[in-house]
Amino acid sequence: AQSVTQPDIHITVSEGASLELRCNYSYGATPYLFWYVQSPGQGLQLLLKYFSGDTLVQGIKGFEAEFKRSQSSFNLRKPSVHWSDAAEYFCAAGNTGFQKLVFGTGTRLLVSP
Amino acid sequence: SQTIHQWPATLVQPVGSPLSLECTVEGTSNPNLYWYRQAAGRGLQLLFYSVGIGQISSEVPQNLSASRPQDRQFILSSKKLLLSDSGFYLCAWSPSGANYGYTFGSGTRLTVV
Repeated sequence: AQSVTQPDIHITVSEGASLELRCNYSYGATPYLFWYVQSPGQGLQLLLKYFSGDTLVQGIKGFEAEFKRSQSSFNLRKPSVHWSDAAEYFCAAGNTGFQKLVFGTGTRLLVSP
Repeated sequence: SQTIHQWPATLVQPVGSPLSLECTVEGTSNPNLYWYRQAAGRGLQLLFYSVGIGQISSEVPQNLSASRPQDRQFILSSKKLLLSDSGFYLCAWSPSGANYGYTFGSGTRLTVV
């Protein structure tokens, strides 16, 4: 069955430090991959997406993600975290054509001063 | 540009009362529409999706139903709410026939008391 795994439920990072959030997928073929961010009480906002081509994709708010086929991973990174980045982050995957995105369970990012 | 509207933002309802949450999309036609629920501290659960007027697919058996009376309108309903229906409900849309990810509404916080 198709699945997306985010192994870290919570992560705490100091402001200004680098960040990496992990995401692994299990799909029959290379899926489309997405990262979303959710601030408390809000909907989800798309940070970035990968369809094909360059395996390093740039997104909004200074985030980037790298697709690694050999590891079935799509980890999200940011070189320097700001306090405003504290939120919940969801990785998602889908296939071509009509699809239902499969979401991971989310990683809550806490930013310490 | 496309926009998605979801209301109300918050709702407190007694057990056994009916429910109607509405979602509308502007600036596009024939979108795929989705209802998700997010329980406290948990990930996203797909409840219903629709690829066209009157076409509803249910992902999980439950106390809820969905309808799509117009192309860009998606309604989530219940005849009698249960305590377990409490949660954060998110509507989303995606272009038909393509996978560009979802755009989410701002969500409805439902508390059943």
